[in-house]
Amino acid sequence: EPEVTQTPSHQVTQMGQEVILRCVPISNHLYFYWYRQILGQKVEFLVSFYNNEISEKSEIFDDQFSVERPDGSNFTLKIRSTKLEDSAMYFCASNVGQKAEAFFGQGTRLTVV
Amino acid sequence: AQTVTQSQPEMSVQEAETVTLSCTYDTSESNYYLFWYKQPPSRQMILVIRQEAYKQQNATENRFSVNFQKAAKSFSLKISDSQLGDTAMYFCAFMKFSGGSNYKLTFGKGTLLTVNP
Repeated sequence: EPEVTQTPSHQVTQMGQEVILRCVPISNHLYFYWYRQILGQKVEFLVSFYNNEISEKSEIFDDQFSVERPDGSNFTLKIRSTKLEDSAMYFCASNVGQKAEAFFGQGTRLTVV
Repeated sequence: AQTVTQSQPEMSVQEAETVTLSCTYDTSESNYYLFWYKQPPSRQMILVIRQEAYKQQNATENRFSVNFQKAAKSFSLKISDSQLGDTAMYFCAFMKFSGGSNYKLTFGKGTLLTVNP
């Protein structure tokens, strides 16, 4: 069964460092998303991406964040200068489009120290 | 903007019994979808069930069913014959269907369900 895959599963980084979280969405999906879940809290929308551009971003998604689909299969989230409060589980998701549920990856746990 | 409220932070149920998790939402949209996602300790997000707002019939998936009350903006999840593997955080989620380029989900805060042997 097709699935969304994320790498790495766990990343530890020092405050101020850049990190790139990687995702491979399901191949025939057209819409891509990043969500964040701080430990013990709800899942929050960060950004949606369609047709090679951002279609919506939340107030969390500031200038420190960027997304890219560099090669038609990977979908990356970059945090330029990590802060302690960026520590969270980051989920990538994709769906075919309207009338379809989102499929989630297994998440990347980011720990900023 | 849409909001999703799950008023039960934690619930527990005995194995083989039935439990209902509550969810209410607020929206001015007429076309939308509602979902229940399960997050076990592994923290993977797994779709449990979905409901299209234009459908009056409540969705069912094996032991999982919903009670969708559109006028009341209520979307509860019933788990029958609870199993130990049902122990997880359950999130209710809303998706607006606008025909645009974004189908983001808005989540509630979740209900931690523990199934006891």
